[in-house]
Amino acid sequence: GAGVSQSPSNKVTEKGKDVELRCDPISGHTALYWYRQSLGQGLEFLIYFQGNSAPDKSGLPSDRFSAERTGGSVSTLTIQRTQQEDSAVYLCASSPTSGNTGELFFGEGSRLTVL
Amino acid sequence: GENVEQHPSTLSVQEGDSAVIKCTYSDSASNYFPWYKQELGKRPQLIIDIRSNVGEKKDQRIAVTLNKTAKHFSLHITETQPEDSAVYFCASFPGGGNKLTFGTGTQLKVEL
Repeated sequence: GAGVSQSPSNKVTEKGKDVELRCDPISGHTALYWYRQSLGQGLEFLIYFQGNSAPDKSGLPSDRFSAERTGGSVSTLTIQRTQQEDSAVYLCASSPTSGNTGELFFGEGSRLTVL
Repeated sequence: GENVEQHPSTLSVQEGDSAVIKCTYSDSASNYFPWYKQELGKRPQLIIDIRSNVGEKKDQRIAVTLNKTAKHFSLHITETQPEDSAVYFCASFPGGGNKLTFGTGTQLKVEL
């Protein structure tokens, strides 16, 4: 597609369940970011992938969070044993280069609600 | 790591007035400062950016200024219109780093 695609757009889950969120970046974009946006809050950095380099995982809030990027394209963010405080919109963004030389293109986000 | 502070958190202006949003950053090596606009229920989109080798940049009704000495940068919107109502985020990219750090956002409301 022409833009960053995320799925699911909405996910409601029960506390303790695992969830997977998918991001399909713009074709050819080497940089991929995950951010989290809680209700009325800013954009919290989670993880960054750049090409074949080791990802920057410094923003992941706990070891329940993990992400991978297969083949330098699609990325999956996994949250294990979800908690209510995980409820937020998870935004994926891609960029043709590293962040300081180009625009970040965001997806529509995946809204996660943990009951 | 980099810390970006943004204020005000909310701003109401009358249509036609100007709006100013200010941000400060902590890492003196930061060299790229974009601004994103997020309309209700939509994705953030870049509206303007500035690099550390310039002090001001304009694009029609919006402008951004950068003061490297003071480590702050501002977004200026003139002749505001209802469609300017949105949340605006500033961000900073530290030199040698690899991630944008965003401010906490400003909810701008342009009233008729």
